[in-house]
Amino acid sequence: QQQVKQSPQSLIVQKGGISIINCAYENTAFDYFPWYQQFPGKGPALLIAIRPDVSEKKEGRFTISFNKSAKQFSLHIMDSQPGDSATYFCAASIAGNQFYFGTGTSLTVIP
Amino acid sequence: EAQVTQNPRYLITVTGKKLTVTCSQNMNHEYMSWYRQDPGLGLRQIYYSMNVEVTDKGDVPEGYKVSRKEKRNFPLILESPSPNQTSLYFCASSYLRSGSWSQETQYFGPGTRLLVL
Repeated sequence: QQQVKQSPQSLIVQKGGISIINCAYENTAFDYFPWYQQFPGKGPALLIAIRPDVSEKKEGRFTISFNKSAKQFSLHIMDSQPGDSATYFCAASIAGNQFYFGTGTSLTVIP
Repeated sequence: EAQVTQNPRYLITVTGKKLTVTCSQNMNHEYMSWYRQDPGLGLRQIYYSMNVEVTDKGDVPEGYKVSRKEKRNFPLILESPSPNQTSLYFCASSYLRSGSWSQETQYFGPGTRLLVL
């Protein structure tokens, strides 16, 4: 059973457009929600993270929107660039020990 | 350079032949973890460790063992590998959460691609 459900599986966006990836969870014990970026042949790297006490966190072109009542969170990439082409994973953690990842979204940004 | 290293990077083996994948970090992190990555399934946590001699099961621990005898090392052991353990494995490390508002960046190694025939 997938604890964190991620969509879409793949996404194609024009350069300069907005990329949006969505995740949903059920377990209310989750208290930390990171997003990871993975390039081919590399390990995932932390992109941005949020705790459920806030509804939005922004770092540069990357924003997490968090809806605690709906148990959903999403990643928005503004002004998407070809260099953003990668696989993105959402995740949820309990007490910083147990981590559950989404199934990943392959993003392609077309020049 | 701060990093997580894994060895080997690629491994082909046969069913039942015991193997160990090593993981080492040079950041003095307390927390270390192993994941497997499979197409369509994302990353799944196998085991994690909060400090020396402290380990716990993740989501998919069956068929795997770990040990944490030193802070910097966290080897993954497959006592009797089977074809369903063919996967891409990642080790990761971070500081322990120090408070409810702290953010612990998990640093991932480069991955070990394992094929069990």
